[in-house]
Amino acid sequence: SQQGEEDPQALSIQEGENATMNCSYKTSINNLQWYRQNSGRGLVHLILIRSNEREKHSGRLRVTLDTSKKSSSLLITASRAADTASYFCAGWGYNQGGKLIFGQGTELSVKP
Amino acid sequence: EPEVTQTPSHQVTQMGQEVILRCVPISNHLYFYWYRQILGQKVEFLVSFYNNEISEKSEIFDDQFSVERPDGSNFTLKIRSTKLEDSAMYFCASNQYFGPGTRLLVL
Repeated sequence: SQQGEEDPQALSIQEGENATMNCSYKTSINNLQWYRQNSGRGLVHLILIRSNEREKHSGRLRVTLDTSKKSSSLLITASRAADTASYFCAGWGYNQGGKLIFGQGTELSVKP
Repeated sequence: EPEVTQTPSHQVTQMGQEVILRCVPISNHLYFYWYRQILGQKVEFLVSFYNNEISEKSEIFDDQFSVERPDGSNFTLKIRSTKLEDSAMYFCASNQYFGPGTRLLVL
């Protein structure tokens, strides 16, 4: 079953602008994680937010989690061309057997 | 900072051949996973491994797939008789940390 659904599927912005990506999930989770993937490359773990947290920051990243709406958002502030990548959310839960279930991803393009 | 490593980075094989993809997870982690990503698609769970045995597998993980942790260090994924549709990026994960992936191309 699909767990994470990212929105939008593609986002194109200018360098310096903020980028916001949203994710919705279906079943209950213990935490939600965001990953970045450069084209054809590996997955880089960006940030983990636990189900009892509402917001978390890491550098230029800000993640929110609303468990009542089963949704999360990733905000990248002051974007750079190097932020161009695909971004995935993945839900993790004990009731999923401890595996991550990924969404389709948002393809972010930051134009210099 | 410890990281998950995978070898080889790329593998090209003929249909019907066996391939073994190798991973070295982070040493004090307990949960290991294999995921795959067909080009342009989302990352899909294949199998999870805990305490030296499979704890869960997806419907993708059929009889042609197997996993092993032969020496307490390496964690391998074997595909017995590869098919064209096995062409994908295969990621090993140690808890939530992913390796760089092995790109498998089946001809």
